[in-house]
Amino acid sequence: GDSVTQTEGQVALSEEDFLTIHCNYSASGYPTLFWYVQYPGEGPQLLFRASRDKEKGSSRGFEATYDKGTTSFHLRKASVQESDSAVYYCALSDPGANTGKLTFGHGTILRVHP
Amino acid sequence: GALVYQYPRRTICKSGTSMRMECQAVGFQATSVAWYRQSPQKTFELIALSTVNSAIKYEQNFTQEKFPISHPNLSFSSMTVLNAYLEDRGLYLCGARLGLGSYEQYFGPGTRLTVL
Repeated sequence: GDSVTQTEGQVALSEEDFLTIHCNYSASGYPTLFWYVQYPGEGPQLLFRASRDKEKGSSRGFEATYDKGTTSFHLRKASVQESDSAVYYCALSDPGANTGKLTFGHGTILRVHP
Repeated sequence: GALVYQYPRRTICKSGTSMRMECQAVGFQATSVAWYRQSPQKTFELIALSTVNSAIKYEQNFTQEKFPISHPNLSFSSMTVLNAYLEDRGLYLCGARLGLGSYEQYFGPGTRLTVL
């Protein structure tokens, strides 16, 4: 079945540091890839998505590029802020099935210190 | 923008009792609604997918008998947790999709279920 692997369980940074959260996927066909962010007490919020190879998604300074060759969709941000502290989830949806089912990674807790 | 509301935000029930939770899409028509449970360890489990004009599809380990879902129109869905026990605790999330050709899924804030 489909799966998403996030390498980092937790990341601790200082403000203005560079962020990378690694995401690799395994799926049949050509999945759509997502990054979601979840703040305490809230549901996941969609950051952005990408649907084809080399497509870049971006929002609020975060970006990720769909790489079919390495089956990756790594999240990056050049300069993090304390307000970016949250849990980040990489997810995929297989458009071939068109079911709307999302497969999530286990999430990465980001803590940014002032 | 697309908004998804869930009610109640928090609920506590005694072991063996049942509770019902609701999901409302505002500002758009949700052609499909997915119910997830987020465990205390933060992982997501898909419970079931409800797509307009199709039967509700439950994932392995989840059944209609335990988690009956109603999806009467394109903006509202409800799910009941019957005979709740400790292992049913968690954050129940509703994800609504705008259209069959849309891949984005928008989530509500969730209903947090505590079982005593």
